[in-house]
Amino acid sequence: ETGVTQSPTHLIKTRGQQVTLRCSSQSGHNTVSWYQQALGQGPQFIFQYYREEENGRGNFPPRFSGLQFPNYSSELNVNALELDDSALYLCASSAGQEPEAFFGQGTRLTVV
Amino acid sequence: DQQVKQNSPSLSVQEGRISILNCDYTNSMFDYFLWYKKYPAEGPTFLISISSIKDKNEDGRFTVFLNKSAKHLSLHIVPSQPGDSAVYFCAASANAGNMLTFGGGTRLMVKP
Repeated sequence: ETGVTQSPTHLIKTRGQQVTLRCSSQSGHNTVSWYQQALGQGPQFIFQYYREEENGRGNFPPRFSGLQFPNYSSELNVNALELDDSALYLCASSAGQEPEAFFGQGTRLTVV
Repeated sequence: DQQVKQNSPSLSVQEGRISILNCDYTNSMFDYFLWYKKYPAEGPTFLISISSIKDKNEDGRFTVFLNKSAKHLSLHIVPSQPGDSAVYFCAASANAGNMLTFGGGTRLMVKP
């Protein structure tokens, strides 16, 4: 059984560019959530996908979007990158609405 | 508006003694609470959880206490070990779902 994996691990982008981050959920998990963790803060919920549909969204602008694929893997897309988007992006998977979510190692995004 | 707060950014404890990490919440809709541990360059790891219908849950050296009237929970680690040194996040969800609201974290240092 494989855990949650994210790619890439590190990324540097220029302000105004677009970025796509990827996540493979843990085997048997059909729900994927994305979180943003700024330096020195706790993770903040961005959105959640359940069976390929967006199931909930936090307080993030529309330039943050996502997808979930039939194999339950997921992508996070961020358009028009801003300096404040620099953060650790975490993906978490879970089985349905089970509260315990299991996290990947994260993607460290730096916007310059 | 921080709905989940961890007021102590850091805590230092001697090996073998008890570590007590605290968390306060404001949203009365929260009914499930979780603790995660995070090492540098890794994603958060699920530690222990508690439903609002309980006031205590134990798992080995880890015990979580919930005081609903005070909207307060705490994590006790006994005995503390140097390997417990990490950042600990408290998280909460509503309707026992998995869209988690995190606190800002407490860095625990266990000294040998």
